[in-house]
Amino acid sequence: AQSVTQLGSHVSVSEGALVLLRCNYSSSVPPYLFWYVQYPNQGLQLLLKYTSAATLVKGINGFEAEFKKSETSFHLTKPSAHMSDAAEYFCAVSVRNTGNQFYFGTGTSLTVIP
Amino acid sequence: DGGITQSPKYLFRKEGQNVTLSCEQNLNHDAMYWYRQDPGQGLRLIYYSQIVNDFQKGDIAEGYSVSREKKESFPLTVTSAQKNPTAFYLCASSSTTPRSYNEQFFGPGTRLTVL
Repeated sequence: AQSVTQLGSHVSVSEGALVLLRCNYSSSVPPYLFWYVQYPNQGLQLLLKYTSAATLVKGINGFEAEFKKSETSFHLTKPSAHMSDAAEYFCAVSVRNTGNQFYFGTGTSLTVIP
Repeated sequence: DGGITQSPKYLFRKEGQNVTLSCEQNLNHDAMYWYRQDPGQGLRLIYYSQIVNDFQKGDIAEGYSVSREKKESFPLTVTSAQKNPTAFYLCASSSTTPRSYNEQFFGPGTRLTVL
């Protein structure tokens, strides 16, 4: 069975500080991993995805994530938070050949303090 | 512009009424999905379809129905049997080709409120 755990439903950082959002996954086979961002009353927008080509994945808006198989983690980071980063972030796992189904974490709400 | 459209953006329903949420995509994707989002619970899968005229129940299908008569369209009906339908509903689509990596593209959502 596949599942995703996002530690910390709310994270607050100061503007300019490091952003670290945690995601751990459970999968019996090599997964695809994704981070999405959601602004209030909007749909989800893809930030980045891991598809086994490289363990360090760079995405949009300065975000990146590192796939660590030994830790079953895919944490999202950004060196310097901007006010516009305030949003809800979702980690998701998809397993090949399972009908393209996604399994989402419960989300992490990021607040950026000026 | 390719993408997914959902309508309406806001929908109000009286108890006992059925309502239908629209989802259309022009990305030529075979697979389409409906999710329900509640605060603190993430996204939960209601129904999905991988091909026209075929669909499968997700984790919370009770009280919902769908159809997939056209590749571009995947409407969701919230029936009176759904006891707590107030939520934010998201439609998504994805390619099913092997190198697509399953990325799902999302629409802007419909917020349903039961009065």
